[in-house]
Amino acid sequence: DAGVIQSPRHEVTEMGQEVTLRCKPISGHNSLFWYRQTMMRGLELLIYFNNNVPIDDSGMPEDRFSAKMPNASFSTLKIQPSEPRDSAVYFCASSTGSHLLLNSPLHFGNGTRLTVT
Amino acid sequence: AQSVSQHNHHVILSEAASLELGCNYSYGGTVNLFWYVQYPGQHLQLLLKYFSGDPLVKGIKGFEAEFIKSKFSFNLRKPSVQWSDTAEYFCAVKGHTDKLIFGTGTRLQVFP
Repeated sequence: DAGVIQSPRHEVTEMGQEVTLRCKPISGHNSLFWYRQTMMRGLELLIYFNNNVPIDDSGMPEDRFSAKMPNASFSTLKIQPSEPRDSAVYFCASSTGSHLLLNSPLHFGNGTRLTVT
Repeated sequence: AQSVSQHNHHVILSEAASLELGCNYSYGGTVNLFWYVQYPGQHLQLLLKYFSGDPLVKGIKGFEAEFIKSKFSFNLRKPSVQWSDTAEYFCAVKGHTDKLIFGTGTRLQVFP
């Protein structure tokens, strides 16, 4: 089991540029979550998908952020245009969670450390 | 809506000291509760979880947590910490949906 795979591990970009973060969930997991971690706010849930469908995107900070899950094995989080305040570690996580399996824990990827200058 | 608060932002202990990290949640229905740990430079890992039954839950590495429903609490404990326990600890709650909400985390530093 390769675990949740995120890429890139580190991203440094200039303000105004588009940033795309990628995630491959664990095979067989049908829920996928994007979290952002900062010193000030800790771990914030941005959006989560169930069976490739976005269920709750209320944590997405603003329209500059978008996320897609075109199939069960891939998801992207895009920031366009990026700003310095977007600098954070972005984690992707997956689980077998569904409304019938409420007790499944999350498996996290190693995160992408984003720095916007 | 679910929410989680962790009272201690930064805890510093010497080895062999006892540890208790506070966690309170806000949610009116049945909850699942979790503690995750993030060691320096690593991703989050599950430490322990509560779904139902015995409110005292044992996790890995000697950690345990007690669910007290009347206090909406799920405090993490360890009787004797080690230097290798230095990490950030996150309490999390899940209600009737798949949405897992985390607290802001507690940074634990253990000195030899």
